[in-house]
Amino acid sequence: KNEVEQSPQNLTAQEGEFITINCSYSVGISALHWLQQHPGGGIVSLFMLSSGKKKHGRLIATINIQEKHSSLHITASHPRDSAVYICAVANMDSNYQLIWGAGTKLIIKP
Amino acid sequence: DSGVTQTPKHLITATGQRVTLRCSPRSGDLSVYWYQQSLDQGLQFLIQYYNGEERAKGNILERFSAQQFPDLHSELNLSSLELGDSALYFCASSSRGEFTDTQYFGPGTRLTVL
Repeated sequence: KNEVEQSPQNLTAQEGEFITINCSYSVGISALHWLQQHPGGGIVSLFMLSSGKKKHGRLIATINIQEKHSSLHITASHPRDSAVYICAVANMDSNYQLIWGAGTKLIIKP
Repeated sequence: DSGVTQTPKHLITATGQRVTLRCSPRSGDLSVYWYQQSLDQGLQFLIQYYNGEERAKGNILERFSAQQFPDLHSELNLSSLELGDSALYFCASSSRGEFTDTQYFGPGTRLTVL
């Protein structure tokens, strides 16, 4: 079993829909990162969370440390949100190395 | 633009050869990370440097090596290349080298081994 699991693997939705991407992990962490990889390959950090909730524009990220689970939400989704969304956790037990999820490929259709 | 630069953008070479990938971190960042992303795969952490010293090592093959120079730029050397080494290689930088830092990614170098 992978230490970081993302679901769904693939998600296709219509423009305007509310999107939720999930990340579950099995290790103790000091922080969790959400990143976005554009179709062209570029990677952008979206959020770093250690507790609670963060919001940036139409993106909201939450984390529940007790349940070892984080969600990334996109409100009023747009075709330009189409990308791979990656969750990564800073593992307390492994010299604080990041453990990467496999990513969720999101396609938003106009 | 993240402020992290990587050269070259594309590299095509043959099996058995050796290549060097270069990364310049964002101004003020002391730490550099190297990642490999094979086709349709997730990011694999290779190695991290902080202010010239190796800080963390991931799944880096013995055929691969890296260093960070006094001016903080970093090079990733890949030798005895195999077809399976074809991948996107990303460099990222952060200010303190802590894994709670935000990492800023370069545009990547696409390596094709023929």
